[in-house]
Amino acid sequence: AQKVTQAQTEISVVEKEDVTLDCVYETRDTTYYLFWYKQPPSGELVFLIRRNSFDEQNEISGRYSWNFQKSTSSFNFTITASQVVDSAVYFCALSESFNAGGTSYGKLTFGQGTILTVHP
Amino acid sequence: GAGVSQTPSNKVTEKGKYVELRCDPISGHTALYWYRQSLGQGPEFLIYFQGTGAADDSGLPNDRFFAVRPEGSVSTLKIQRTERGDSAVYLCASSRDGRRVGYTFGSGTRLTVV
Repeated sequence: AQKVTQAQTEISVVEKEDVTLDCVYETRDTTYYLFWYKQPPSGELVFLIRRNSFDEQNEISGRYSWNFQKSTSSFNFTITASQVVDSAVYFCALSESFNAGGTSYGKLTFGQGTILTVHP
Repeated sequence: GAGVSQTPSNKVTEKGKYVELRCDPISGHTALYWYRQSLGQGPEFLIYFQGTGAADDSGLPNDRFFAVRPEGSVSTLKIQRTERGDSAVYLCASSRDGRRVGYTFGSGTRLTVV
């Protein structure tokens, strides 16, 4: 069964520190997608990144970077030079393929989330 | 519309009452999902619609929960005989075709059962 584990419940850092959020997943699929979402206090889930299971290249987007290692089933997220506005709950999620009525579709399994607090 | 719209944003109801939560997906998105997020947890899958039909309702916790999407656009999640344990944020997401990419979430409906 698919499962996503975010072992860090809460992380607290001081502004400008680097911080890494861990994500480990379990899946029976050979093709799947991994996601990171940010949930600020307003409650909306904000999409950050999607990674295909066949693409293990690390990705950098501004202060954000992601390290995907299929061998260890991990998809970690690093924020460089953190800022107060980065304070939020961050979710890692896995999307596997399912079939119903002849149609293939995906549904997301989320981790429990990591609460990140960045202090000024 | 430009995004996924959910109404109401907040709903307080008494135990035992019936509630309806509405989701208006992005125009043209055929796939629609409902998730439930309890306090301190990640969202959990409830139901998936492809067009008008519920292709996967394996996440609905019991028969008090029901969802419809009669015209393949707006969806309504219905909860009968609400219980305090139903208190959560109910999130709706849509995607163009449900093929594992491009989910857009709404802001959710915070349901409180007192």
